[in-house]
Amino acid sequence: EADIYQTPRYLVIGTGKKITLECSQTMGHDKMYWYQQDPGMELHLIHYSYGVNSTEKGDLSSESTVSRIRTEHFPLTLESARPSHTSQYLCASSGPGGYSYNEQFFGPGTRLTVL
Amino acid sequence: AQKITQTQPGMFVQEKEAVTLDCTYDTSDPSYGLFWYKQPSSGEMIFLIYQGSYDQQNATEGRYSLNFQKARKSANLVISASQLGDSAMYFCAMRPIIQGAQKLVFGQGTRLTINP
Repeated sequence: EADIYQTPRYLVIGTGKKITLECSQTMGHDKMYWYQQDPGMELHLIHYSYGVNSTEKGDLSSESTVSRIRTEHFPLTLESARPSHTSQYLCASSGPGGYSYNEQFFGPGTRLTVL
Repeated sequence: AQKITQTQPGMFVQEKEAVTLDCTYDTSDPSYGLFWYKQPSSGEMIFLIYQGSYDQQNATEGRYSLNFQKARKSANLVISASQLGDSAMYFCAMRPIIQGAQKLVFGQGTRLTINP
């Protein structure tokens, strides 16, 4: 079983609030990812990191920001939440080596609702 | 650019029957990997099976097998002897197999419902 954790699991918050979604993994993986997924739809990569102090924007533009100060921790922050941010946010990590298959392990997700 | 297409939004299957979930892909990368994930209603993504583009044999993992047809650019998931617990969303995904690149591109998903 993958050891990757996300908190909170569910969050209902008002417009304009600042929020941070937490993601931690205990597998020592250097690569971590954030995906956004609307209900029943495909996953879209919004941020990724290949190591400490390395962050990149993903394929889907997002107003969120991320940081990677520690290997195990990859939080996502929204400075001012809006209803359009309502979605599920999934964090994932994967091990080293691009030449081996190294599946991504996913956390349980955070379901965010902005009123 | 890579693209994954899953043309079946929903599938309904009788328990104990086999089911095939379709996945076609498009890529210009010479070497790539294909993944299938299961997403139950609880929301987490569960890795099921992997197929490398240069693997000589189709991948199998328990009741899951991957029907890989490289010339047709298809990587269909076959679930044998379906169970009620197989009811979930299923996503096909791919990434290039090159040093450093680990980003996955996902398809739209197929919602599988197993009827008793």
